[in-house]
Amino acid sequence: AQSVAQPEDQVNVAEGNPLTVKCTYSVSGNPYLFWYVQYPNRGLQFLLKYITGDNLVKGSYGFEAEFNKSQTSFHLKKPSALVSDSALYFCAVRAKDTGRRALTFGSGTRLQVQP
Amino acid sequence: GAGVSQSPSNKVTEKGKDVELRCDPISGHTALYWYRQSLGQGLEFLIYFQGNSAPDKSGLPSDRFSAERTGGSVSTLTIQRTQQEDSAVYLCASSPTEPYNEQFFGPGTRLTVL
Repeated sequence: AQSVAQPEDQVNVAEGNPLTVKCTYSVSGNPYLFWYVQYPNRGLQFLLKYITGDNLVKGSYGFEAEFNKSQTSFHLKKPSALVSDSALYFCAVRAKDTGRRALTFGSGTRLQVQP
Repeated sequence: GAGVSQSPSNKVTEKGKDVELRCDPISGHTALYWYRQSLGQGLEFLIYFQGNSAPDKSGLPSDRFSAERTGGSVSTLTIQRTQQEDSAVYLCASSPTEPYNEQFFGPGTRLTVL
């Protein structure tokens, strides 16, 4: 079975400060890892993914994430938060070496960036 | 190009009625997925299509739920004899064939069962 944990229901950060949204995963074998963002009354938008190679992945809107295999983590980061980054963020995983194509999502972390 | 579209955007129905939710994937995407997002919950996988076949139906919560895909394109999720616990946002996603590709999500259908 595969699972994702996002230990923080909400993260508060001041505009201009760095932000981190945490994600740990459990999967058999190697993972494909994804971050999505959801704005109010909108579908999920893809931010970035880790497939293979460089552990630091850069994505949309200045976000990046670091894959850490030993800690089974894939934390989302941004050097300088914007108020417009306020949204619900989901981490997702699927196993690379199985036929299962469905993503398993975490419960989401609400990011609140204060002006 | 056009993204994933879903209809209707909102559906209110009475307990016991059947509902059909429609998904139009991105043109050329062979994989199609249905997920459910309940209030305060994360996303729950329902079913995956590759072409017109559904190799993974493991997420369908009961036999009241079914889905089909025709012509390798449009998909319909049907819920029979709706219950109040079926109230949720139903999200459809599509992706190209390769398994490492990200899934592109539609805006969802908000289903309310009274």
